[in-house]
Amino acid sequence: AQSVTQLGSHVSVSEGALVLLRCNYSSSVPPYLFWYVQYPNQGLQLLLKYTTGATLVKGINGFEAEFKKSETSFHLTKPSAHMSDAAEYFCAVNGNDYKLSFGAGTTVTVRA
Amino acid sequence: DVKVTQSSRYLVKRTGEKVFLECVQDMDHENMFWYRQDPGLGLRLIYFSYDVKMKEKGDIPEGYSVSREKKERFSLILESASTNQTSMYLCASSPPTAWDGYTFGSGTRLTVV
Repeated sequence: AQSVTQLGSHVSVSEGALVLLRCNYSSSVPPYLFWYVQYPNQGLQLLLKYTTGATLVKGINGFEAEFKKSETSFHLTKPSAHMSDAAEYFCAVNGNDYKLSFGAGTTVTVRA
Repeated sequence: DVKVTQSSRYLVKRTGEKVFLECVQDMDHENMFWYRQDPGLGLRLIYFSYDVKMKEKGDIPEGYSVSREKKERFSLILESASTNQTSMYLCASSPPTAWDGYTFGSGTRLTVV
């Protein structure tokens, strides 16, 4: 069994500030972890993924995430927010089969 | 570039109509999925298919059916549309084990009036 918890349904940051989105997972097997972004009225787009190897993963648009097995976390960060980062972000986990489990999503608002 | 294409971005239908939402992928993926997305409820799986003519119910299959006659195409059918089916519908595909995640279509925003 696997599940994902995203802490905070809404995050508001100032332009240029750090973006930090929290994701904790549970999985009975070594997980594959993903972050997706969804812009208004669009589908989900893969930001980055962790499969094996290096625990710090870099993605598109300046985002990165770190897999911490001891904390069962996969938090997403971006050092400096841009207005174009306003979107909804989903964390997802895959245990050992075809099915991804998604978090409930975090909406990011960027203040000018 | 790999793609999942949903036939309509916006759709308005009347209550009681039979509605078809089409999804086509060009990646030769075995798995295809239909989700609906509603504010505060996240993504909810309606149906998925792991092979041609094979399907399994997801978490909220009531009021929906699906068809997969060809590997690249997965259709979602609302047998008799109701206002509570007004939602964003997302199609996705993946290889059998989804170790690289899913590829999503752009979504269809369906309004039932």
